[in-house]
Amino acid sequence: AQSVTQLGSHVSVSEGALVLLRCNYSSSVPPYLFWYVQYPNQGLQLLLKYTSAATLVKGINDFEAEFKKSETSFHLTKPSAHMSDAAEYFCAVSDRETGRRALTFGSGTRLQVQP
Amino acid sequence: NAGVTQTPKFQVLKTGQSMTLQCAQDMNHEYMSWYRQDPGMGLRLIHYSVGAGITDQGEVPNGYNVSRSTTEDFPLRLLSAAPSQTSVYFCASRRTGAITDTQYFGPGTRLTVL
Repeated sequence: AQSVTQLGSHVSVSEGALVLLRCNYSSSVPPYLFWYVQYPNQGLQLLLKYTSAATLVKGINDFEAEFKKSETSFHLTKPSAHMSDAAEYFCAVSDRETGRRALTFGSGTRLQVQP
Repeated sequence: NAGVTQTPKFQVLKTGQSMTLQCAQDMNHEYMSWYRQDPGMGLRLIHYSVGAGITDQGEVPNGYNVSRSTTEDFPLRLLSAAPSQTSVYFCASRRTGAITDTQYFGPGTRLTVL
């Protein structure tokens, strides 16, 4: 079964520092990969997605992620954290094995940005 | 466009009660789904639908029913609520069944079962 592992349930950075949120996947077929952000008391919003075109994917709010097949990773980065980036971030992989055409989500990483 | 709307925002039930969580979208999306979100577990798929009249089970379907009589609406029914169903429930939709289509989420319903 496809799965996603997010290393670190909580990450804290200073404002202006690099943001790195880690995501590793396991999949027996080439995956599609997604990053979603959830602000407090809101639904999830798509940040970016990898659909087997360019391996470096740029998303909204200066976030980007790189698909590395050799490392089975899809880490999310942002060069300079802003206070408004404080939220929970979810990595997700497409379920291409069961035919449900659904997403399998990781357990999430809560990002804290310190002033 | 209102996007994906969910009602109610909050609900408290007693064990054994039944209720329906409402979900509607005004984007003419074919694919709709229900997830539950529990701390430390991400989102898990409950049921999904690829079009009006077609529904199927997800990863954690037990205790829940769905129907899709129209393209716009996809209600989730709890038949006999249990404390284990205390969770935040999200409805989502996307234009087609293609997994690469962007999925839009509603704001969620926070359910507590006593």
